[in-house]
Amino acid sequence: EVHLVESGGGLVQPGGSLRLSCAASGFTFSSYWMHWVRQAPGKGLVWISRIDPDGSSTDYADSVKGRFTISRDNAKNTLYLQMNSLRAEDTALYYCARQQPFLDYWGQGTLVTVSS
Amino acid sequence: EIVLTQSPGTLSLSPGERATLSCRASQSVGSRYLAWYQQKPGQAPRLLIYGASNRATGIPDRFSGSGSGTDFTLTISRLDPEDFAVYSCQQYGSSPPITFGQGTRLEIK
Repeated sequence: EVHLVESGGGLVQPGGSLRLSCAASGFTFSSYWMHWVRQAPGKGLVWISRIDPDGSSTDYADSVKGRFTISRDNAKNTLYLQMNSLRAEDTALYYCARQQPFLDYWGQGTLVTVSS
Repeated sequence: EIVLTQSPGTLSLSPGERATLSCRASQSVGSRYLAWYQQKPGQAPRLLIYGASNRATGIPDRFSGSGSGTDFTLTISRLDPEDFAVYSCQQYGSSPPITFGQGTRLEIK
């Protein structure tokens, strides 16, 4: 059974950094594109970033480009999102998801709150 | 970037009724790369439909998707109490970026 479990969220001050992790199991992680999607409280889903199976190709939404970095460790079956220069508007629940090319499996999310 | 606009914003219906949700794209969604997701409070999105009309594994046949180009529809033939949730469409044919609609809230009347 496919499982995606995010971790690393928390409360951070504006300008701070966090690294999110997404532990994958139940499938051949190294064969799939993976994505991060976020959802601000009471708002809709917003795509953030994606990475190809071997980590050589990445894409970002304009809102996070230059501040966030997606990466993966296929030996550890783990996806990462390094978030720097965080802003209040980055406050959201962050989900990782597997591409099929639609997003067929999602984690439960990890909450990031940016506030002083 | 393809913008997806869902309507209505909120739909109030009773169990047993038929629900019709709309998703309109600002430009054509290539090869019908349109998906629908269901999301309940405190839960992750759940894939319902992909390729505009294909049900995901385990999705009841009361859920159906249709459409092409810029106009897509999710239909729930007879609403079950567990179907009251937020529904979002997503296009993945022209990416990045992948884009989502703002969601339709389906509530019990």
